[in-house]
Amino acid sequence: EAGVTQFPSHSVIEKGQTVTLRCDPISGHDNLYWYRRVMGKEIKFLLHFVKESKQDESGMPNNRFLAERTGGTYSTLKVQPAELEDSGVYFCASSLLGRMNTEAFFGQGTRLTVV
Amino acid sequence: GQQLNQSPQSMFIQEGEDVSMNCTSSSIFNTWLWYKQDPGEGPVLLIALYKAGELTSNGRLTAQFGITRKDSFLNISASIPSDVGIYFCAGVLTQGGSEKLVFGKGTKLTVNP
Repeated sequence: EAGVTQFPSHSVIEKGQTVTLRCDPISGHDNLYWYRRVMGKEIKFLLHFVKESKQDESGMPNNRFLAERTGGTYSTLKVQPAELEDSGVYFCASSLLGRMNTEAFFGQGTRLTVV
Repeated sequence: GQQLNQSPQSMFIQEGEDVSMNCTSSSIFNTWLWYKQDPGEGPVLLIALYKAGELTSNGRLTAQFGITRKDSFLNISASIPSDVGIYFCAGVLTQGGSEKLVFGKGTKLTVNP
């Protein structure tokens, strides 16, 4: 069974450009989470989807970030316009509905570099 | 907000040595987790702790949940080169029907053969 997959694995963009990250959760997982790790810092929660609904988006840094999960399958995270401080590794995780977070599986991450 | 203080930040050890790292928090968490991240990969769950005082082992790894639910340690015995990576502690935070993980900053482990 395929795990959580994220695309692209790396992205280098210029300040002011737009970037869209994609996450394909494990099939059947209704919970989908986005996290981000800025260099040398802790991994921080961004938001939580249950199916296509945003359950908690309290960790989204600002309105330059837009997450969607149309149809409750894959999710996208768009940053527009990107700023230097957006650089970091963006992780996606998924779990079955009703399962504790301990059973969430992480993708390999997308390393975003804004220059 | 909740923060986890994880130490040490990095460790350089010889193969065969034992390793210990810990996390503390000013807040209580009902569940504590330890993850390992290999280069280019996402975090992988190593051990989950649910009860205060709980001591749990997973092979050469042992973790304990503090009595106060505000701290935890992870021990690795007889380290091997494949133990290299970043180890994260995390607490599970439940708010408004949503669960999320609060992570420490990680401990980067280097094992010299």
